[in-house]
Parts: sequence; structure tokens; C-alpha cells
Amino acid sequence: DAGVIQSPRHEVTEMGQEVTLRCKPISGHDYLFWYRQTMMRGLELLIYFNNNVPIDDSGMPEDRFSAKMPNASFSTLKIQPSEPRDSAVYFCASSLGGRPLEQYFGPGTRLTVT
Amino acid sequence: QKEVEQNSGPLSVPEGAIASLNCTYSDRVSQSFFWYRQYSGKSPELIMSIYSNGDKEDGRFTAQLNKASQYVSLLIRDSQPSDSATYLCAVNTNAGGTSYGKLTFGQGTILTVHP
Repeated sequence: DAGVIQSPRHEVTEMGQEVTLRCKPISGHDYLFWYRQTMMRGLELLIYFNNNVPIDDSGMPEDRFSAKMPNASFSTLKIQPSEPRDSAVYFCASSLGGRPLEQYFGPGTRLTVT
Repeated sequence: QKEVEQNSGPLSVPEGAIASLNCTYSDRVSQSFFWYRQYSGKSPELIMSIYSNGDKEDGRFTAQLNKASQYVSLLIRDSQPSDSATYLCAVNTNAGGTSYGKLTFGQGTILTVHP
């Protein structure tokens, strides 16, 4: 089975540009999570969805960040405009409804904003 | 006070020894506890979950939970160089509502197993 798929794997952009990160969860999983990892702050939950509906977005840092899940097999995390402090590794994870906390992580997108 | 605290290490143990990784959490109503392993440059991978007080064993790994002391640990027996990684402790406080799927992660402990 394919695991969680994320694209792009690396993204380098200039400050002020729009960045879109993409995620395809494991087929059949009905929970999807977006995390950010930095050396300073560790691994932080940004937002999570259940059955394509956002459940908790309290971790989204500010209005520059937005996430959507238009269907069960695709989600995006968008940053507009991007800032250097957004540089981090962004992980998408998915899980089954019966065990939402047993999460399977994608390979991550390393974002660098210059 | 951080919600989930781990000693960042690095913890260095010789091959074949027992590695002991510790984690404390601040919310007394926390109910579910997890250990994830993260190799350098890779994504976290779930290796153990524990939900009730006591020990849970899976191969060379043993998770221990003491809710009264708000403490969870991971023991790795017969440590191998391939166990060298960062180990993340994660906690869920299912207080209802939107917390059902939320994990709070510690900063992680770097483990190095030397031959």
C-alpha cells in the first residue's frame, strides 16, 4: 500500500510569494493532520480534518495560513504571503477513525523562505 | 511549563545495552500515550502506544505508564546502532470536543547507540 504522499518534497521561495503544499492520505483513512516541525518549536499540530471537515485549526499560526480538504484523497496547506519564519518541515499524517491517534506520517515538505 | 517534556539528550548507550527514555506530561487527564521514532531527515514513525498503567511489551520495546506520577517511559532492550534516532513522546488529552484527534509532542530525545 502506498503511504501518505506529499508534494513537493522541497520548496524554496522568496518572501511574499504564495506557497501550496499538497497531501494525499492513505486510502481509507478518514483523519488528516498537518504538522510543522522546527528545531525551536518541535512538532506542532496546525490543523486536522475528519471526513474532509476541519475539526481543530487552533494551531494555525495566523491568517496567512489556510488548509482545505476538497475530497477524501487530497488536502492542501497554503501560505500567502510567505515569510522567512515559515521555513520548516511540514508533515501531513493520516489515520483511521477507530484509532485517530495512531498516525501515519508522510515524508514531509521542507520549505525554505528567503 | 511545557505540556510534554523530554530530556533532549543526546543519550548514548553501547550496543546491547538497555536504553531508557523518559517523558513527563502536565495534564493529569491525559489518557493516551505514544512513542514515535524519527530518523534524521525522515518522518516520525509510530512504534508504541499505551493507554493504561503498567507495562506494554512489543519485541525489544517496552512502554511503561504511571499516571499517578504523570510519567511514561520507553525501554529498548539489546540496543542496536539502527536504533539511533530521535524518540518523540506524544500525549492525547481527550477532554472531548476537538481534542479527540489531537496529539501534543515532546521535543524528543536523541538516542545514539555506539558499537
